[in-house]
Amino acid sequence: GQNIDQPTEMTATEGAIVQINCTYQTSGFNGLFWYQQHAGEAPTFLSYNVLDGLEEKGRFSSFLSRSKGYSYLLLKELQMKDSASYLCAVRDSNYQLIWGAGTKLIIKP
Amino acid sequence: IAGITQAPTSQILAAGRRMTLRCTQDMRHNAMYWYRQDLGLGLRLIHYSNTAGTTGKGEVPDGYSVSRANTDDFPLTLASAVPSQTSVYFCASSPGMEGGQETQYFGPGTRLLVL
Repeated sequence: GQNIDQPTEMTATEGAIVQINCTYQTSGFNGLFWYQQHAGEAPTFLSYNVLDGLEEKGRFSSFLSRSKGYSYLLLKELQMKDSASYLCAVRDSNYQLIWGAGTKLIIKP
Repeated sequence: IAGITQAPTSQILAAGRRMTLRCTQDMRHNAMYWYRQDLGLGLRLIHYSNTAGTTGKGEVPDGYSVSRANTDDFPLTLASAVPSQTSVYFCASSPGMEGGQETQYFGPGTRLLVL
C-alpha cells in the first residue's frame, strides 16, 4: 500500500527553527509537495521537490532524498502566524497526490 | 471570481437526502479534483477530471458522483447522504499540463454534517 508518515504535532518557540519530517512509500514518485493549512482554511502551496536536494524559499526550505523516501520542511525565524498544519503529499506513478495526515505546528511566544 | 469558489460554505443534511456541492474555477485549469478531509486522516481523493468531458474515480468514490460539462464547473453529488459522509470537502484544480509541476490550488471548502 501507499503510505505517507508525518509527526502528528510539534511545538516550537517564536524566533526558533523547526524541521518537519515526512517519509513516504508510494507506487512511483513524480514529485513531493508541502502545503500549509491554517485551521478552518484551505491548504495553500508551499514548495515542490522532484530532484534530490534543498529548495529554499525565504524562511521556508524543503529537502528531498528519493533514495531514502524522505523529505523535510524547515521553517526558520518562526512567527506566530506559522502556527498551522503542514501537509506532505507525493505524486505517484498515476500522477495522483497521496497525502499525509499533516503535522500540527504550535508556536509558543 | 478569483481562483476557486465552493458552495455552500456549510450544510446540515438529513440522512437519505440528495445534495450537490458546487465548485467553480476561473483559472482555465484543465484538471479538477474533489477531496474529503477527516480528522486524523490525509486528504482523500473522491473523483477527478483531467479535462472537460472526462472524469475518473479516486480513492473513495462510493456514494459520490461528478460531472464535468465545461472547464469551469465540477459539481459533486451525494445521491443519498449517510452520516459517514460528514466531512470537509475541498475542490481543487491544476493546469493539467503533462510533465509539469501540476500544483493543485484549493477552494475554501464545504463543511457537511449528515445527521
